[in-house]
Amino acid sequence: EAGVTQFPSHSVIEKGQTVTLRCDPISGHDNLYWYRRVMGKEIKFLLHFVKESKQDESGMPNNRFLAERTGGTYSTLKVQPAELEDSGVYFCASSQGWDEAFFGQGTRLTVV
Amino acid sequence: GQQLNQSPQSMFIQEGEDVSMNCTSSSIFNTWLWYKQDPGEGPVLLIALYKAGELTSNGRLTAQFGITRKDSFLNISASIPSDVGIYFCAGLHPEAAGNKLTFGGGTRVLVKP
Repeated sequence: EAGVTQFPSHSVIEKGQTVTLRCDPISGHDNLYWYRRVMGKEIKFLLHFVKESKQDESGMPNNRFLAERTGGTYSTLKVQPAELEDSGVYFCASSQGWDEAFFGQGTRLTVV
Repeated sequence: GQQLNQSPQSMFIQEGEDVSMNCTSSSIFNTWLWYKQDPGEGPVLLIALYKAGELTSNGRLTAQFGITRKDSFLNISASIPSDVGIYFCAGLHPEAAGNKLTFGGGTRVLVKP
């Protein structure tokens, strides 16, 4: 069974550009989460989807971040325009019900 | 908000040594989890703790859910080179919606030169 996959694994963009990160959860998992680890600090929650609906987006830093989950399958996280402080590793995780959440390998975003 | 203070931030291990790390919080948590992240990979769940006082083992790993529900520790016995990586504690707060986790800052485990 395929795990959670994230694309791209690395992205380097200039300040002001737009970047879109993609997450493919484990098939059949209704819950999808985005987390971010900035500058070696703790991993912080960004938002939670249940199927295609946003259950909790309290961790989204500001309105430059937009997450979508088309048809309740894969999810995208768009940063527009990117700022230097957006650099970090973005993790996606998925779970079925209250079971363990499985994490993807992360996307390392560097804004220069 | 809820915050987990994880220590130490980093440690060096020598093969065969026992190592220990812990997480504390000013808030109570219903669930404590310990993850390990290898380079280029995402966090992988090692141990989950669901009841105050619970002591759980997974091979050479042992973790405990503090009796006050505000802390947890992870022990690795007889460390081996593949134990290097970043270990994260995470908690599920009673008021957290869904499975929204609060993470500690991580403990980077390195091999003693």
